[in-house]
This record gives sequence, structure tokens and C-alpha cells, in this order.
Amino acid sequence: QVHLMQSGAEVKKPGASVKVSCKASGYTFTNYYITWVRQAPGQGLEWMGWISAYTGHTNQAQKFQGRLTMTTDSSTTTASMELRSLTSDDTAVYYCARSDGSSDLDSWGQGTLVTVSS
Amino acid sequence: QSVLTQPPSASGTPGQRVTISCSGSSSNIGSDTVTWYQQLPGTAPKLLIYRNDQRPSGVPDRFSGSKPGTSASLAISGLQSEDEAVYHCAAWDDSLNGWVFGGGTKLTVL
Repeated sequence: QVHLMQSGAEVKKPGASVKVSCKASGYTFTNYYITWVRQAPGQGLEWMGWISAYTGHTNQAQKFQGRLTMTTDSSTTTASMELRSLTSDDTAVYYCARSDGSSDLDSWGQGTLVTVSS
Repeated sequence: QSVLTQPPSASGTPGQRVTISCSGSSSNIGSDTVTWYQQLPGTAPKLLIYRNDQRPSGVPDRFSGSKPGTSASLAISGLQSEDEAVYHCAAWDDSLNGWVFGGGTKLTVL
């Protein structure tokens, strides 16, 4: 079955960077996209961006332009998301999710809590 | 501030039918399908309804979706205590080339 396993919780200082990984299994990795979504404490879901695991093509929400890098490695079937210049507003649970395009996000990782605090 | 608008809370008693609304615009709900996710406490969201009204295998038929125009609704009939969760609506937005979400509706089973 499809499984997305994310890396563990992180605590970072303001101004630092964080990298979250998402190991995919149970399906052909390059046939799908990986989307990154985050959820601040007590808030709704926020789309960050997506990456094609086949072409590497990406698109991201404008608010993350210049701070977000998404990559995939088909040899390890792993997607990664790096967010730079962290502030306290970036404290959230970060999720990776699978889609086959603009359709639904049909499988989700368990989430990675990123805490930004001085 | 979420792009799609949902009520922050909803409630019902066991056995009742509840509905949750989700409104958007012509660039998202008006031009594409709506998806609903269920998020149980402390867990990741789970796909509940896709393409407006389709249920993945394993989702009970007590859950149903509809999409009249630029708004959508999720209905839960025969409410059960295990339905207590946050429900998120989502849609593809053509202008963003990405997803937009509602703020989530916390359903309480009284």
C-alpha cells in the first residue's frame, strides 16, 4: 500500500533553515507529484508547493518564493522540502502528500513538527 | 485567512444529519472539483470525498458531497462519535496553479 514516511520533529532558531524529507513506498514514485502542505497550531491547511517526481518541475505559493526549495530523488524515492530564513510564523506541522496532478491528495505523510524559537 | 470559506464549527447528536459548507470563487470551486479531507485529532488529513461526490474505498456511504456552482457541501448522515474531527475542503485554483483550502470545520458530536 502507499506509504509516505516523513523525517522527525525539528527545533530551529529564527533565521535558520529546515529540511524535511518524505520517503515514498508502495507505488511507482515517478508517476506522481508530491505536494507540501503545512498547518500552523490551531489553523487550517496551507498549500506550499508541488513537485513532479518525473520531471522535477515545481510550482510554489507566492508567499514562499525565494525561501522554499523542493526536490525529489528517484533513486531513493524520497522527496524533500527546505525552507530558509525561518521565523516564528513558520512554526507548524509540515505534510507531504501524493497526487497525480491537479486531482486530490490521496495519501499523506504523518507530518513533521517544525518549531521555530529563540 | 483561507481562500475557501467554511464555518469554524458544527455539531450534532448521534444519528443526526449534519452538513458543512465550503464557498469559493470562479477560479477554484467554480472551475474545478472539490475535495474533502477528514482530520482526526492528532493525525494527518485523510481523503474523504474527491471529485465533488466520490468516496474512496473504505469511506462509509454516510458521507456524501455535492457542488452546486461556486460552493460545495459535505453531508454526514447517521452521525457517530467517531466522526468527531476537523473537516477541510480543498480545490485546485487555476490562477495559482495549486491548491486552496478552507479553514477547516471542527465537528463535535454531542
